[in-house]
Amino acid sequence: EPEVTQTPSHQVTQMGQEVILRCVPISNHLYFYWYRQILGQKVEFLVSFYNNEISEKSEIFDDQFSVERPDGSNFTLKIRSTKLEDSAMYFCASSDLSWGPTNNEQFFGPGTRLTVL
Amino acid sequence: DAKTTQPTSMDCAEGRAANLPCNHSTISGNEYVYWYRQIHSQGPQYIIHGLKNNETNEMASLIITEDRKSSTLILPHATLRDTAVYYCIVSVWAGTASKLTFGTGTRLQVTL
Repeated sequence: EPEVTQTPSHQVTQMGQEVILRCVPISNHLYFYWYRQILGQKVEFLVSFYNNEISEKSEIFDDQFSVERPDGSNFTLKIRSTKLEDSAMYFCASSDLSWGPTNNEQFFGPGTRLTVL
Repeated sequence: DAKTTQPTSMDCAEGRAANLPCNHSTISGNEYVYWYRQIHSQGPQYIIHGLKNNETNEMASLIITEDRKSSTLILPHATLRDTAVYYCIVSVWAGTASKLTFGTGTRLQVTL
């Protein structure tokens, strides 16, 4: 069964450093998302991406964040200068809405745990 | 998107049906009800969705009231592996990528 994969599973970085989190969405999906979950808190939407541009972003997704689809398979989230409060589990998701609005099933990856020291 | 209200936690005996309620009294006509679950710290997993009619798939059944102000997710024969946080989410399809707004969900504990 196709699945979303994410690398690395755990990333430890120093405050102020740049990190890139990588995701490989399901191959025929067209819509991509990043969410994050701070330990013990809700899953929060960060950004959605379609047709090589951002569809929507949340207030969390400030100028320190960027997303890119550098090739036909990868989808990345970059944090330019990490802060302590960026420590969280980051989930990538993808969906295929090409057949209409009746299904917004998003397939989530296993997540990358980011620890900022 | 409409707000949802769910109980914080529920228990269910293994083999019994788990009925998880959700209140979405401000739902609008073009909003769908989705259910996802999150087992431990894994990525959320889609379970089922519906608009007006009751729905059933291999995982669960979704019962939506006639006025659409509430719904119930039914796991017909809960197992220990169904222990998870269950999220009821109301979302409209805006013609493009649609974000999911997660609440705090219901923590379902299935016991022997």
